[in-house]
Amino acid sequence: QLQLQESGPGLVKPSETLSLICTVSGGSISSSSYYWGWIRQPPGKGLEWIGSIYYIGSTYYNPSLKSRVTISVDTSKNQFSLKLSSVTAADTAVYYCARLEIAAGGGRVWGQGTLVTVSS
Amino acid sequence: DIQMTQSPSTLSASVGDRVTITCRASQSISSWLAWYQQKPGKAPKLLIYKASNLESGVPSRFSGSGSGTEFTLTISSLQPDDFATYYCQQYNSFSPAWTFGQGTKVEIK
Repeated sequence: QLQLQESGPGLVKPSETLSLICTVSGGSISSSSYYWGWIRQPPGKGLEWIGSIYYIGSTYYNPSLKSRVTISVDTSKNQFSLKLSSVTAADTAVYYCARLEIAAGGGRVWGQGTLVTVSS
Repeated sequence: DIQMTQSPSTLSASVGDRVTITCRASQSISSWLAWYQQKPGKAPKLLIYKASNLESGVPSRFSGSGSGTEFTLTISSLQPDDFATYYCQQYNSFSPAWTFGQGTKVEIK
């Protein structure tokens, strides 16, 4: 059974870079059937897609975050990662990783989410 | 960019009620529309994909319809476990970007 697990610091200082890793277990990240994505949810607010990556490294970013976001994949470790630079308090959110089904257009498998707080 | 407008933002209903949530896209998205249920402190759960396909394991009281720019999620008989927040999400097949609707919170009346 495929599982995703987010990991990384829960507290980041303003102007610094937020870095998270999503570890995929129970299946391979190197599949042509899926994208791997990051989605976030500020406390009490809705869902926001951050970006997605294909296993060969093709990336797609939310235009509103594109200048600050980098998503990369490490197939040898079955992981993909998120870097968000120059963070502010507005970037405080629960960050989810998810497997995005190309054929279905939706995400069947999600990580449990990790809260990242931006504060000095 | 494609925008998704979901309504209502809050819905008060009773157990047994028929509930309908609407999602409108700013341009045609064919049938590339998914619906999720989210409960507090949990990740979203996929209910419907490609506008009208029921995800495996999801109760049949949930159904989705629509194509182009207008879509609906219907719960035929609301159950206690259904009180949650629901999101629509569009998928752009030409550039795999997602956009979510603002969410609809289904509350107990």
